[in-house]
Amino acid sequence: AQKITQTQPGMFVQEKEAVTLDCTYDTSDPSYGLFWYKQPSSGEMIFLIYQGSYDQQNATEGRYSLNFQKARKSANLVISASQLGDSAMYFCAMREYGNQFYFGTGTSLTVIP
Amino acid sequence: KAGVTQTPRYLIKTRGQQVTLSCSPISGHRSVSWYQQTPGQGLQFLFEYFSETQRNKGNFPGRFSGRQFSNSRSEMNVSTLELGDSALYLCASSLDRGGGDTQYFGPGTRLTVL
Repeated sequence: AQKITQTQPGMFVQEKEAVTLDCTYDTSDPSYGLFWYKQPSSGEMIFLIYQGSYDQQNATEGRYSLNFQKARKSANLVISASQLGDSAMYFCAMREYGNQFYFGTGTSLTVIP
Repeated sequence: KAGVTQTPRYLIKTRGQQVTLSCSPISGHRSVSWYQQTPGQGLQFLFEYFSETQRNKGNFPGRFSGRQFSNSRSEMNVSTLELGDSALYLCASSLDRGGGDTQYFGPGTRLTVL
């Protein structure tokens, strides 16, 4: 089974609107971390936000928030007030303790002026 | 703190040659992972090194190898290059404290095999 599933290959959002990028994960390990990365066309992977499996609160970093629903094994990224510079590929990732990182196939986000 | 650095940034090789890519992690980071990214296959995990030992390995042929030095710098080598090895190779480092450890990526090495 896939460890990380991103079902939206491409998304469009109007500038200044909010957008949610979906991510579901699969693990039986009680200790894990969830991550979101942004990859602009330049190619570099930029870390955005982290959520630990034991964290009670949803993580937030500026305009990014992670909607963590543990029972549903869901870790959606919410970007508020989208900007043109948010156009990029977004990858969801998970790491179980001591194990490798698993990445999803990514979602291409396009922000429309 | 300086970020993850990778050299070279761009590389052109021909089939059958071998190539070595280098990665210097963020100071203090002990874990280094390598990934291959292609348009068709997405981001694929190659291997992870921690304290000079390969800790995790992806599903790649033996032509792909790596190592880590005592200063945590890492190299990956691809022997007998094939056209399909053309890709962006990303290196990432982390402190390695377990599941909550964030990986930080370098800018990548773009390899073209002719």
